Amino acid sequence: DAKTTQPPSMDCAEGRAANLPCNHSTISGNEYVYWYRQIHSQGPQYIIHGLKNNETNEMASLIITEDRKSSTLILPHATLRDTAVYYCIAPSGTYKYIFGTGTRLKVLA
Amino acid sequence: EAQVTQNPRYLITVTGKKLTVTCSQNMNHEYMSWYRQDPGLGLRQIYYSMNVEVTDKGDVPEGYKVSRKEKRNFPLILESPSPNQTSLYFCASSHQRGGYNEQFFGPGTRLTVL
Repeated sequence: DAKTTQPPSMDCAEGRAANLPCNHSTISGNEYVYWYRQIHSQGPQYIIHGLKNNETNEMASLIITEDRKSSTLILPHATLRDTAVYYCIAPSGTYKYIFGTGTRLKVLA
Repeated sequence: EAQVTQNPRYLITVTGKKLTVTCSQNMNHEYMSWYRQDPGLGLRQIYYSMNVEVTDKGDVPEGYKVSRKEKRNFPLILESPSPNQTSLYFCASSHQRGGYNEQFFGPGTRLTVL
C-alpha cells in the first residue's frame, strides 16, 4: 500500500509562503498525489492533485519531484484562515485512500 | 447547491442497538466512501462504492455494513455498535474521471456508543 509521511506540525507567519512537505516513496507510477485540508472537525476539503508535473490552482501550488517520491504543497501567502490540518494522500489501488495524520499548520499573526 | 449531507450529525446510543447513518449526494457522483476519524489516527477508510451495487472494504470495515441501491445514497450500518466505534464519521463522494477523483466530504457525524 502506498504510504505518505508528513511532519506532524509546522508554523508559518501570516503573509509568508507555507511549504508543506510530503514523502510518498512507495507511490506507483500512475497514481496521483492529492492534498486535502481539514479545519477543526469539518469535512476535509480538496486542495489540489498532481501526477508528474507541477500544478497550480487558485488555492495552492504543488511541486512534485522528478522521481515522484516526494512533493511540496505551497500556500503562497498564508492567512490565518489557512490554519488547518493538511493531508497528503497517495491512493492504495484505484479506490482506496489512506489519509494518515497529516501536518497541523498554524499560521501566526 | 452541490453537497454531501449526512444524518444524523450527532448521535449517542448504547451498545448493541442497531443504527444507520445516512449519506446523500446531489452531484451524480459514481464514487462514494465512508471514513472514520479518531484522535491520533487520522482518517481511515471503512468502505467505498464505485457505483450502484458495487462496494468494497477499506482499511477498517469490521463491525460495519454498507449498501448502494441508489446512486445518490450510501448508508453506513452498524448492526451491533460497540464503544470502540465511538468516532467522527465522514462520507465522501466524487466522479471517477481520468484516473483521479476529487472527493467532496460531508459535514461529519459524531457518534458516541455507551
